[in-house]
Amino acid sequence: DAGVIQSPRHEVTEMGQEVTLRCKPISGHNSLFWYRQTMMRGLELLIYFNNNVPIDDSGMPEDRFSAKMPNASFSTLKIQPSEPRDSAVYFCASSLSVNEQFFGPGTRLTVL
Amino acid sequence: GQQVMQIPQYQHVQEGEDFTTYCNSSTTLSNIQWYKQRPGGHPVFLIQLVKSGEVKKQKRLTFQFGEAKKNSSLHITATQTTDVGTYFCAGRDYGGATNKLIFGTGTLLAVQP
Repeated sequence: DAGVIQSPRHEVTEMGQEVTLRCKPISGHNSLFWYRQTMMRGLELLIYFNNNVPIDDSGMPEDRFSAKMPNASFSTLKIQPSEPRDSAVYFCASSLSVNEQFFGPGTRLTVL
Repeated sequence: GQQVMQIPQYQHVQEGEDFTTYCNSSTTLSNIQWYKQRPGGHPVFLIQLVKSGEVKKQKRLTFQFGEAKKNSSLHITATQTTDVGTYFCAGRDYGGATNKLIFGTGTLLAVQP
């Protein structure tokens, strides 16, 4: 069974550029989560979806961040325009209802 | 908002020594989960505790959920180098009708052979 798939694994971009992170959750899971991890702030929940519907986006930093889940097998997190302080590891995770969350390998984003 | 703190932030032990990390929530939890993240890796689920006062064991790991369901602990007996990583607790707010988990600040464990 493939786990949660994220792409790209690494992204280096310049300030002001648009960044799109992609996630394919585990088949059959109905919840999808986007997290950001930094040394300073730890592991933060940005947004999560239930049955493709955004439920809680209170962790989204600002209007530069947006997330979509057009279907049960795909989600994107977009940052536009990107800033150096957005540099972090972004994890996508999926779960079946309130059970354990399965994390993807993460995308390491560096904004110069 | 809900906060979940862990102590210590960092612990360095000699292989064979015991290790404990403590997790405290500002609110009552419906359940708590524990995850381990190896250096350079992603969080991996270890266990979930649901009942007040619950104790679960996984080989050398012992997990406890407090009576008031506001705190939890993870104890590792006789650490090994394979135990290296960051241990996170993650709580779900009591009565919350969501799948949202609040992750703790994490405890980084270093084990010297």
